[in-house]
Amino acid sequence: KQEVTQIPAALSVPEGENLVLNCSFTDSAIYNLQWFRQDPGKGLTSLLLIQSSQREQTSGRLNASLDKSSGRSTLYIAASQPGDSATYLCAVIDQGAQKLVFGQGTRLTINP
Amino acid sequence: GAGVSQSPSNKVTEKGKDVELRCDPISGHTALYWYRQRLGQGLEFLIYFQGNSAPDKSGLPSDRFSAERTGESVSTLTIQRTQQEDSAVYLCASSSNVLRRGDGYTFGSGTRLTVV
Repeated sequence: KQEVTQIPAALSVPEGENLVLNCSFTDSAIYNLQWFRQDPGKGLTSLLLIQSSQREQTSGRLNASLDKSSGRSTLYIAASQPGDSATYLCAVIDQGAQKLVFGQGTRLTINP
Repeated sequence: GAGVSQSPSNKVTEKGKDVELRCDPISGHTALYWYRQRLGQGLEFLIYFQGNSAPDKSGLPSDRFSAERTGESVSTLTIQRTQQEDSAVYLCASSSNVLRRGDGYTFGSGTRLTVV
């Protein structure tokens, strides 16, 4: 059974810092990996999608990497801003189950 | 439509009543997923549809929960005889083709269900 773990569970940093969120998954048989952002009381907003054949994706200040063989992904946020405060969720599409399996998320707070 | 639409956005119901939650996926998306998120918890898979069929219903918590999809479009999640533990945000997502596997998922804003 696929399991996704995100570390740390919570992170608080001052504005302007670069930071890394970690995601690991137990079964490397995935189709793709997707990072989402969730604001309090809201739905999920897709940030980046990495297909299994890719190593990384970039969008603005965000960069996500994927090492399928080791079961790891990282989300790098450059020059963090208070507006980046949210919960960040990592999810993989498991080849066996054919559905998104989510981690528990990292709750990020950027302090002005 | 431009995005995944869910209705109602909020629903307060009395314990024991039935509720219906609706999801309108992005036009043309063949795969549709329902997830549940209890307060302070992660996302819990409920069911997914490929077209109008549901290959995986394994996440439905009990026989009080059912879902259907018609016309490869709108889906309805029905909870019968609601209990307080059913209180959660119910999220719907759609994707263009689960078999292509290269596409991401787009989520709706969710329905916040409160059972009192």
